[in-house]
Amino acid sequence: AQTVTQSQPEMSVQEAETVTLSCTYDTSESNYYLFWYKQPPSRQMILVIRQEAYKQQNATENRFSVNFQKAAKSFSLKISDSQLGDTAMYFCAFMKVQGGSEKLVFGKGTKLTVNP
Amino acid sequence: NAGVTQTPKFQVLKTGQSMTLQCAQDMNHEYMSWYRQDPGMGLRLIHYSVGAGITDQGEVPNGYNVSRSTTEDFPLRLLSAAPSQTSVYFCASSLMWTRQETQYFGPGTRLLVL
Repeated sequence: AQTVTQSQPEMSVQEAETVTLSCTYDTSESNYYLFWYKQPPSRQMILVIRQEAYKQQNATENRFSVNFQKAAKSFSLKISDSQLGDTAMYFCAFMKVQGGSEKLVFGKGTKLTVNP
Repeated sequence: NAGVTQTPKFQVLKTGQSMTLQCAQDMNHEYMSWYRQDPGMGLRLIHYSVGAGITDQGEVPNGYNVSRSTTEDFPLRLLSAAPSQTSVYFCASSLMWTRQETQYFGPGTRLLVL
């Protein structure tokens, strides 16, 4: 079974600075997808970024980028130029590609606070 | 498109009562799923559906039933609510499950069982 670990329950950063959230996962699969979701106080889950395991290039979406280290099973999220609106819970999630259900396996989340 | 919608936003139940959490999407997505979110537990899959008429169990299905009579709707039923079912429930959908499309989440339903 796949597991996702987020080792930082809480983090804080000053506005305009850069912060990196950590995520590691355990799987025997060779092909899979990884996601970062943002959950603001409104509770809605919002997709931040997605990475296909077969792609070596790290995914980027504006101020958000990932450092995907497949051999190390690591998938960290870097937020550049942090904004107050980035304050939220951030969840790392894993989805395998072949067979079975399309089930997202989530980490327990990191609470990020951006301070003015 | 409204995306994924959920009703109600908040509900209080007494132990033993039944209710249905509604989920609808207007994106013609094949795949729909229900998750529950508990403090310190992340999100856990309850049930999912890969198309109308097809449902299957996820990680924590006990105490919940689902059906998928249309592509758009995927209601979650609690037949006899228990305090352990106090949680926030999220519905999610994606275009085609075989392609591992990105899942889109609804705004959530907060359920309190007394």
